[in-house]
Amino acid sequence: EVQLVESGGGLLQPGGSLRLSCAASGFSISNYWMHWVRQAPGQGLVWVSCINSDGSSTYYADSVKGRFTISRDNAKNTLYLQMNGLRAEDTAVYFCTKAGRGGGGYNWFDPWGQGTLVTVSS
Amino acid sequence: EIVLTQSPATLSLSPGERATLSCRASQSVSHYFAWYQQKPGQAPRLLIYDTSNRATGIPARFSGSGSGTDFTLTISSLEPEDFAVYYCQQRSDWPLTFGGGTKVEIK
Repeated sequence: EVQLVESGGGLLQPGGSLRLSCAASGFSISNYWMHWVRQAPGQGLVWVSCINSDGSSTYYADSVKGRFTISRDNAKNTLYLQMNGLRAEDTAVYFCTKAGRGGGGYNWFDPWGQGTLVTVSS
Repeated sequence: EIVLTQSPATLSLSPGERATLSCRASQSVSHYFAWYQQKPGQAPRLLIYDTSNRATGIPARFSGSGSGTDFTLTISSLEPEDFAVYYCQQRSDWPLTFGGGTKVEIK
């Protein structure tokens, strides 16, 4: 069974840092582009970042560019999101998800992890 | 950025009725368009990719159509488990974007 499990969320103050992890099972992430999508409480889905199969290319939403860094460890079958300079508006559930098909560019999302909540508040 | 506008925001229907959800893109996205379903407290689930392809395990009552800037998700006959929020998404250009969602609620 293909599964994604996020961890690392929590409560922290503005300006803080956090690293999210996403452990994959049932498939090898080395074949897929991987993504982070977030959802603020009661709000819609917002794409955050993605990384290509070998980690050589990354993409970010303007709202997180320069503060967040996506990375992957294909040997550990794990995706990461390093979040620095956190702001109240970063408060959200962060979902890990994979591109729908191997290779490049097949950027629909399937499946999704259960999400991890990040709360930024003083 | 390609903006996706979903309508209506809320759709009130009864089980067995047909649901028609719309999404309009601010510029052409070709056929690079997907739909997701999200229930309260759950992660989204892929329904349709590349406009009209049902994802694995998705019932045939879900169908997608459209091209360019106008897309539609149709649920031919609503089942009790279909009452949820539905999101559209484009993969034509960066940044990838989602619509604001349509809530399908029980009338």
